[in-house]
Amino acid sequence: AQKVTQAQTEISVVEKEDVTLDCVYETRDTTYYLFWYKQPPSGELVFLIRRNSFDEQNEISGRYSWNFQKSTSSFNFTITASQVVDSAVYFCALSEEDTDKLIFGTGTRLQVFP
Amino acid sequence: DAMVIQNPRYQVTQFGKPVTLSCSQTLNHNVMYWYQQKSSQAPKLLFHYYDKDFNNEADTPDNFQSRRPNTSFCFLDIRSPGLGDAAMYLCATSPPEGNEQFFGPGTRLTVL
Repeated sequence: AQKVTQAQTEISVVEKEDVTLDCVYETRDTTYYLFWYKQPPSGELVFLIRRNSFDEQNEISGRYSWNFQKSTSSFNFTITASQVVDSAVYFCALSEEDTDKLIFGTGTRLQVFP
Repeated sequence: DAMVIQNPRYQVTQFGKPVTLSCSQTLNHNVMYWYQQKSSQAPKLLFHYYDKDFNNEADTPDNFQSRRPNTSFCFLDIRSPGLGDAAMYLCATSPPEGNEQFFGPGTRLTVL
């Protein structure tokens, strides 16, 4: 069965701190895709990254970085030098091969205080 | 800019009064989705279309229907809204299989 677990319900940090959001997934497929989405207070889900199961290279995009480890079924997201504008709910999601559907985790609410 | 548009952004309806939410896309994606998201929860998939093929989630209430008259447009009809249907409704599109979904801004539905 497929499942995405985001154990951290809420995280609060002070601006300029680094923060890591955890994501653990379960799937029986060998081909699958992992995603992170950001949902600011306005409500729109904003796509951040997509990773396929054969690409374990870590990725960095500005202050954002992602650590994909198949050995631990984890796809963690780190924000370096957090800013108030990073305050949002972040969802990790899984999509299996031959499906058009996303399986979302329950989300982590990040609050960055000035 | 290519995008996913949802109208209206806010919708107020009365208990039992049918309501239709609309979604349009300029991305020319095959797949369109409707999600329901309640406060502090993850989005819950209601149904999706692969082109004209309709796929209903097993736990989507019969009260919810959808139409996709063409590639660009998709509608969500709630036949008899109850208080429990108050939520944010999100539309999304994607190319098929494993690709990222692009979300619209959502319609927040209030049921009085």
